[in-house]
Amino acid sequence: GQQLNQSPQSMFIQEGEDVSMNCTSSSIFNTWLWYKQDPGEGPVLLIALYKAGELTSNGRLTAQFGITRKDSFLNISASIPSDVGIYFCAGGGNTGTASKLTFGTGTRLQVTL
Amino acid sequence: KAGVTQTPRYLIKTRGQQVTLSCSPISGHRSVSWYQQTPGQGLQFLFEYFSETQRNKGNFPGRFSGRQFSNSRSEMNVSTLELGDSALYLCASSSGQGAREAFFGQGTRLTVV
Repeated sequence: GQQLNQSPQSMFIQEGEDVSMNCTSSSIFNTWLWYKQDPGEGPVLLIALYKAGELTSNGRLTAQFGITRKDSFLNISASIPSDVGIYFCAGGGNTGTASKLTFGTGTRLQVTL
Repeated sequence: KAGVTQTPRYLIKTRGQQVTLSCSPISGHRSVSWYQQTPGQGLQFLFEYFSETQRNKGNFPGRFSGRQFSNSRSEMNVSTLELGDSALYLCASSSGQGAREAFFGQGTRLTVV
């Protein structure tokens, strides 16, 4: 099945550092969502983006909906140990609803003290 | 508000058996989507139900089926289980009326032996 390209695949960073990851697609999406998943748990919604060019923040997290509607970016500032996990982007279906999401390959984040 | 509830959390089945998984969406949400997560294929969309009707379907064989009840609770059934069906099965809930956000349950970990 289709997956969106996410990079980097994994990253080790030190506590306090900023993190950037991105997601690209060959298709246009009307919605971009970012999720975090801890081991053995379901994905938790972090940020939702609805409009090309939109920049949205949620605490230390900032995400952007690319102008081309084919990409999105997530930044985490001043990382802390609880940021450890796998981050997934997801593109909303052609209808723009959440009824059928296409997920990225994931970025595994590990934070060292 | 209670979140998305999936039961059971863990399941071990033998090849050839069938299995039924259950999902109770967030109160008031009418759309339930199902996803399969494996290390190799990532998160893949199975199908979506809205108001007891299947609205979208992914590229999975007919052994995978689902239904939704009048109270929006949904079940997913897999018949004639294969080893490759071992995965984390996730249910996502959204309000369904053009909603562009989806909220996931903790998932059911299915192991086929």
